[in-house]
Amino acid sequence: AQTVTQSQPEMSVQEAETVTLSCTYDTSESNYYLFWYKQPPSRQMILVIRQEAYKQQNATENRFSVNFQKAAKSFSLKISDSQLGDTAMYFCAIVGGSQGNLIFGKGTKLSVKP
Amino acid sequence: DAGVIQSPRHEVTEMGQEVTLRCKPISGHDYLFWYRQTMMRGLELLIYFNNNVPIDDSGMPEDRFSAKMPNASFSTLKIQPSEPRDSAVYFCASSPGLAGGRETQYFGPGTRLLVL
Repeated sequence: AQTVTQSQPEMSVQEAETVTLSCTYDTSESNYYLFWYKQPPSRQMILVIRQEAYKQQNATENRFSVNFQKAAKSFSLKISDSQLGDTAMYFCAIVGGSQGNLIFGKGTKLSVKP
Repeated sequence: DAGVIQSPRHEVTEMGQEVTLRCKPISGHDYLFWYRQTMMRGLELLIYFNNNVPIDDSGMPEDRFSAKMPNASFSTLKIQPSEPRDSAVYFCASSPGLAGGRETQYFGPGTRLLVL
């Protein structure tokens, strides 16, 4: 079974600063993929970034980047130059092997303060 | 593309009534997923389809829940009879193909269900 743990239920950051959200996972699969999804108050689930486990290089998408530590089974999300629009729930998720569905963590509520 | 479309966006019903949630996946996507989000259990899979065929329904809570995908562009999730503990946000998502998870799942806006 695959599991995802997000140990920070809530975080806050000042606008323009940098924040890192933590995620650890467990899987016995050798081929898996990790995702961060953002859920703003509108409830829409929006893909932020994804990482393929076999790739050494950390994924980046504009202000969003990950620190993927495969041996430690850690997948943290760094948001640089935080903006008010980044205020949302952030979910870490994994999919791998023959199982097609995403397994989600419980989420981290991020508040960006002006 | 219009993205994944779900209807209704909000549903309020009374216990014992039948509820039908609808989903139109992104055109060309082979996989369709139904997830449920609650405060207690978070986001969890209910069922998913590949080319209109149910692949994994192990997340369907009980026989009161059923899902169908009669064609590539339409799926329904039905609850009959509904109970207050079914109150949740129900998401539909689609992806072009599994390919070991390389394909991103795109989510609809969700249906917020309240059973009184």
